[in-house]
Amino acid sequence: NAGVTQTPKFQVLKTGQSMTLQCAQDMNHEYMSWYRQDPGMGLRLIHYSVGAGITDQGEVPNGYNVSRSTTEDFPLRLLSAAPSQTSVYFCASRRANSYEQYFGPGTRLTVT
Amino acid sequence: SQELEQSPQSLIVQEGKNLTINCTSSKTLYGLYWYKQKYGEGLIFLMMLQKGGEEKSHEKITAKLDEKKQQSSLHITASQPSHAGIYLCGADRVSGNDMRFGAGTRLTVKP
Repeated sequence: NAGVTQTPKFQVLKTGQSMTLQCAQDMNHEYMSWYRQDPGMGLRLIHYSVGAGITDQGEVPNGYNVSRSTTEDFPLRLLSAAPSQTSVYFCASRRANSYEQYFGPGTRLTVT
Repeated sequence: SQELEQSPQSLIVQEGKNLTINCTSSKTLYGLYWYKQKYGEGLIFLMMLQKGGEEKSHEKITAKLDEKKQQSSLHITASQPSHAGIYLCGADRVSGNDMRFGAGTRLTVKP
């Protein structure tokens, strides 16, 4: 199993550009989540999904969209990038009946 | 202020020394998780505590949950350079998959 994969690893955007961060898992996990990690703030939940077709907002959803058309994929879309979205983004997944989350390696995003 | 406060923010210890990291919640704890993050990488699950007084161990790492104090401690015995990294505590919210994390404790172990 590849586990949780994220692409790209690094990305630089200009203010106002849009892009999609990709996340995929091959463990057939029902739950998937997106977090951002900023210095001194820990991880903050952006959006999460409890299954295909079901998504919900987390702590900091503004400026981000998600969709879950398949169990495997959970892309995160930045609609109009802002410098405040400069961060490291982590995708995670877990089984519905398990508390152990598996994290991807992260995407480091810089918005200039 | 954050829902989960970790202390200390950073810690430098000599190899072989014991150390403790604390995590205090401002809300009732339904489940407390400990993760480790190596620099520049994703998080690795260490253990999860649910019941007050519960204690779990993973190799030389032991975590306890004090439900009344809404606090958990992570203790490393005879630290090694391989223990270096960032330790984060996380807690379940009532709504299920909505997990909150502390800011992390950066541990450096000097050989």
